[in-house]
Amino acid sequence: EVQLVESGGGLVQPGGSLTLSCAVSGLTFRKYWMTWVRQAPGKGLEWVANINHDASVKNFLDSVRGRFSISRDFAKNSLYLQMDSLRAEDTALYYCATDGGTGLSIWGQGTTVTVSS
Amino acid sequence: EIVMTQSPGTLSVSPGERVTLSCGASQSVRSNLAWYQQKAGQAPRLLIYGASTRATGVPARFSGSGSGTEFTLTISSLQSDDFAVYSCQQYNNWPYTFGQGTKLEIK
Repeated sequence: EVQLVESGGGLVQPGGSLTLSCAVSGLTFRKYWMTWVRQAPGKGLEWVANINHDASVKNFLDSVRGRFSISRDFAKNSLYLQMDSLRAEDTALYYCATDGGTGLSIWGQGTTVTVSS
Repeated sequence: EIVMTQSPGTLSVSPGERVTLSCGASQSVRSNLAWYQQKAGQAPRLLIYGASTRATGVPARFSGSGSGTEFTLTISSLQSDDFAVYSCQQYNNWPYTFGQGTKLEIK
């Protein structure tokens, strides 16, 4: 069974840091680009960042570039999102998803990040 | 950044009706357009990619069309399971932007 399981969310103060993880199983991890998408409470989906097969290409939403970094660990079949200098507007449910070049086909259930003092 | 605009924001429909949702792009995305369905409390589900290709396991009542800047998602006969939020996403240019979503609610 294919599974993407996010973890690492929580409550953090503005200016703080958090690292999200996405554990992938049931598929050949290195075949896929991987993506982070977020959804603020009551809002639509927002693409955040992605990383290619061998981690040589990384793309970011303008509002997170320079604050967030994305990485992947092939030994652990895991994707990460390191988030620094967090702001209130980063509060959202964060999903990881596979990107096979034809849309985001497999999604995790998400992990919640709340930035508040 | 390409802006994706969906209309309407909310649509009240009855089961069995045919419904068409619209998605527009601020510049051409060719056919690099996906549609997702999201039910309350659940992750999105890929329905359509390449503007018109159904993803694995998606019922034939869902169809997509369009290219360039104008796209539609049609549900031929609404089932009770189809009441959800539908979002389009372009994957032609980074950042891969989403529309704001159209909510289908029961009339």
